[in-house]
Amino acid sequence: AQRVTQPEKLLSVFKGAPVELKCNYSYSGSPELFWYVQYSRQRLQLLLRHISRESIKGFTADLNKGETSFHLKKPFAQEEDSAMYYCALTPGGGNKLTFGTGTQLKVEL
Amino acid sequence: GAVVSQHPSRVICKSGTSVKIECRSLDFQATTMFWYRQFPKQSLMLMATSNEGSKATYEQGVEKDKFLINHASLTLSTLTVTSAHPEDSSFYICSASLTATGELFFGEGSRLTVL
Repeated sequence: AQRVTQPEKLLSVFKGAPVELKCNYSYSGSPELFWYVQYSRQRLQLLLRHISRESIKGFTADLNKGETSFHLKKPFAQEEDSAMYYCALTPGGGNKLTFGTGTQLKVEL
Repeated sequence: GAVVSQHPSRVICKSGTSVKIECRSLDFQATTMFWYRQFPKQSLMLMATSNEGSKATYEQGVEKDKFLINHASLTLSTLTVTSAHPEDSSFYICSASLTATGELFFGEGSRLTVL
């Protein structure tokens, strides 16, 4: 069975500082990895997916199969980045998501 | 963009009663919808996969007779919590899959409180 681990429940950084939200996974096949974000009082929404290899709102994430990681990074945090971030996985070709426990990012001025 | 709407957003009911939560895809057709449950400060747990016109597929440990799922049309799936008890109190979230891309769009969630 697949599993997604986000070791940090809360990450607090200052505005302008780099951000790295950690995500590790376990899955025997070739998974698809995602980052979802939930801003205060809003619904969960897709931030980025590894197959797109794109940067969204300045965030990037690289799938490292050797380390089974998919860390989310942004070089300069902004106040509006404060939100709950969930790493998620689906078996390749499917869309049944397994979520990590989430990391609350707080960007302080 | 695609919008998924849940109703009601909040519901309070007495123990022993049944509660129905609706999940609608407003501007697209979804052959597949998913239902999740989220406990406070915990992750979303997939409960079941709802397929239009067929029986839902439940995840291990989810009682299908407790959580009835009906996906009668391409834009509506319903979750009925039968004979609700206080331990069923939770945040229930649905998502719908956009067939063309497979991207999932989430509803705003429904908070159930069973007294």
